[in-house]
Amino acid sequence: LAKTTQPISMDSYEGQEVNITCSHNNIATNDYITWYQQFPSQGPRFIIQGYKTKVTNEVASLFIPADRKSSTLSLPRVSLSDTAVYYCLVGDPGGGGNKLTFGTGTQLKVEL
Amino acid sequence: DTEVTQTPKHLVMGMTNKKSLKCEQHMGHRAMYWYKQKAKKPPELMFVYSYEKLSINESVPSRFSPECPNSSLLNLHLHALQPEDSALYLCASSISGTGKGYTFGSGTRLTVV
Repeated sequence: LAKTTQPISMDSYEGQEVNITCSHNNIATNDYITWYQQFPSQGPRFIIQGYKTKVTNEVASLFIPADRKSSTLSLPRVSLSDTAVYYCLVGDPGGGGNKLTFGTGTQLKVEL
Repeated sequence: DTEVTQTPKHLVMGMTNKKSLKCEQHMGHRAMYWYKQKAKKPPELMFVYSYEKLSINESVPSRFSPECPNSSLLNLHLHALQPEDSALYLCASSISGTGKGYTFGSGTRLTVV
């Protein structure tokens, strides 16, 4: 299984862009990269998923270089409500019942 | 319906009690999961069901017994738990092959006294 490494914590201010990088050196060919957001005492919430290059949705962008050994979650213009733990997961979403393991996550704190 | 519903939201049980956690989804997902999360730690995978069959058991103690009665329901039966089993128990589901990630429930906060 691909192991992920993220910064333990990051601080930012409202209105800034935040980039959280995840390292996954032993990513496999069939693996996708998925990011989740978790607030205290709630279940993780899916943010974005990608395989290569760049993926963008209404809340975030995901940048994946050609070697796929890392990825960067970009949150544009963060607000206080973006304060949460962000997890990067790597795994194969194909087939039923895949095994995705959470890394330590990054605690993002957004201040005024 | 795009949700995973977990009941109860909170549960306090004694070490000799038997209780069950329930999880329900109506998204047609054929993979369902139980995770355990301790405070300030990432979720840890416990069990995976694929097409209603147990496909992964992460060496979970037998005092935790999962059950998947049908494609929409997932139960976790609890018996003779220890105080260190107190945690947030999360259920999730996913549909294979679409790359859409997991959908998690809000969890059951379990306290063993």
